[in-house]
Amino acid sequence: QSALTQPASVSGSPGQLITISCTGSSSDVGAYDLVSWYQVHPGKAPKFMMYHVTNRPSGVSNRFSGSKSGDTASLTISGLQAEDEADYYCSSYTTSDTWVFGGGTKLTVL
Amino acid sequence: QVQLVQSGAEVKKPGASVKVSCQASGFTFTKYYIHWVRQAPGQGLEWMGRFTPNPRDIIYAQEFQGRVTLTRDTSTRTDYLDLSSLRSDDTAVYFCARDGGNHDFDHWGQGTLVTVSS
Repeated sequence: QSALTQPASVSGSPGQLITISCTGSSSDVGAYDLVSWYQVHPGKAPKFMMYHVTNRPSGVSNRFSGSKSGDTASLTISGLQAEDEADYYCSSYTTSDTWVFGGGTKLTVL
Repeated sequence: QVQLVQSGAEVKKPGASVKVSCQASGFTFTKYYIHWVRQAPGQGLEWMGRFTPNPRDIIYAQEFQGRVTLTRDTSTRTDYLDLSSLRSDDTAVYFCARDGGNHDFDHWGQGTLVTVSS
C-alpha cells in the first residue's frame, strides 16, 4: 500500500487560510469517507484533528475544516495562528482492511 | 480521562526482538481496538497493525507480515507489540493508538523509541 500524497510543505502568514491536500486512490480515499487528520508537533504524540473527512473531535478549533472530492481529501485551516505550526498527516482506511498515512506536510507560519 | 502509557526506550542489536507495551486507562478497554504506528527519524507516520479481541481479525501491514505480533493482556489492560528480526531501519518511535470507532486514531500513547544498533 503506497502512502497517500501530501505536499511536503505549505506556509502562510498569521490570519491567512491554507489548505493541505491528501491524494490517494479508489482503494482508499476514494472508497470511503474514512479520512482522518493528525497534527504532530516535534517530539510529541500525534493529535487527532478530524475524522470522517469533515468531523472535528471535541476540543478542536472550528478554524479547522475538512473536505473531500474523489480521491483527494483536504484540510483547511483558517485564521492561521503561530501554534498551528506543525506537521500534518492524513490517514485513510482502505479496501484491504488496512490503514495508510500520507507522507506528511510541514506547515510553517511566517 | 483516556490514557495510553507506553513502556520506556529500548536499544537492541540487529536480529534481536523488541516488545513494547501500551497500558490503557480511563475507558472500557475490552470494547476498543488498538493500532500500532511508527515514525522513523525524519520520516512520516507508518501504520503497522491493529489488535482486535478476535484473533482472526488481527491485521498487520504487509510490510511487517511475519515479523510483528500484537497481543493483549486484559487483566492488566495492556497491549503489546512484538517486532522480531530487527534491522537498523526499524529504528523509530513506536506509538499505540486507540481506534475511536470511526476507523481513526483518537488517543495516542506517548511513544517508545526503539534504537537498533550494533
